[in-house]
Amino acid sequence: DGGITQSPKYLFRKEGQNVTLSCEQNLNHDAMYWYRQDPGQGLRLIYYSQIVNDFQKGDIAEGYSVSREKKESFPLTVTSAQKNPTAFYLCASSIGGLVQETQYFGPGTRLLVL
Amino acid sequence: DQQVKQNSPSLSVQEGRISILNCDYTNSMFDYFLWYKKYPAEGPTFLISISSIKDKNEDGRFTVFLNKSAKHLSLHIVPSQPGDSAVYFCAAGEDSNYQLIWGAGTKLIIKP
Repeated sequence: DGGITQSPKYLFRKEGQNVTLSCEQNLNHDAMYWYRQDPGQGLRLIYYSQIVNDFQKGDIAEGYSVSREKKESFPLTVTSAQKNPTAFYLCASSIGGLVQETQYFGPGTRLLVL
Repeated sequence: DQQVKQNSPSLSVQEGRISILNCDYTNSMFDYFLWYKKYPAEGPTFLISISSIKDKNEDGRFTVFLNKSAKHLSLHIVPSQPGDSAVYFCAAGEDSNYQLIWGAGTKLIIKP
């Protein structure tokens, strides 16, 4: 059963702590994305990767980092430099990365600050 | 500066009637537009799209209309069903680009 999995569903971060959100896909897609959703706002792009070992910053990359060592995996680290990390984080993938392509989303991770 | 706007945070429609969700954009370079649907605790799923070379695209109960001169698109759902209750996102992008710009979403509630 192909799809995208994100874990954990809920994540709590303490002050000054880095946390990593997992995203895995078995759709054999080249492109993967990380979005952040805040109440009353649309999805905003954090990072984008079109191929393994390559990724580009989106509109709100400050305070975040990613890696793409494997095609299936695109983890997102929320660093202590991200001063307002409380949000809903969505991972997505598409075949090649063009806007015309359908993006397939995971169920999301809600990050809360303690 | 929001390039894609969905001005109605919520919309309530009687079951069986038409639901019309609206989306406005400011960037005239956009040439591809998509609608996604999101249920609670799930990620968005693709619903329907339209290229700027068309003014209408239909898929079953769902039709998207594009008015380029007004920089406006709308999603029509006919007839509305209880399972259509969800948040609907409008997104837009430039052809052969990778980044979609998303609206804030409209919560559609279908009343029985």
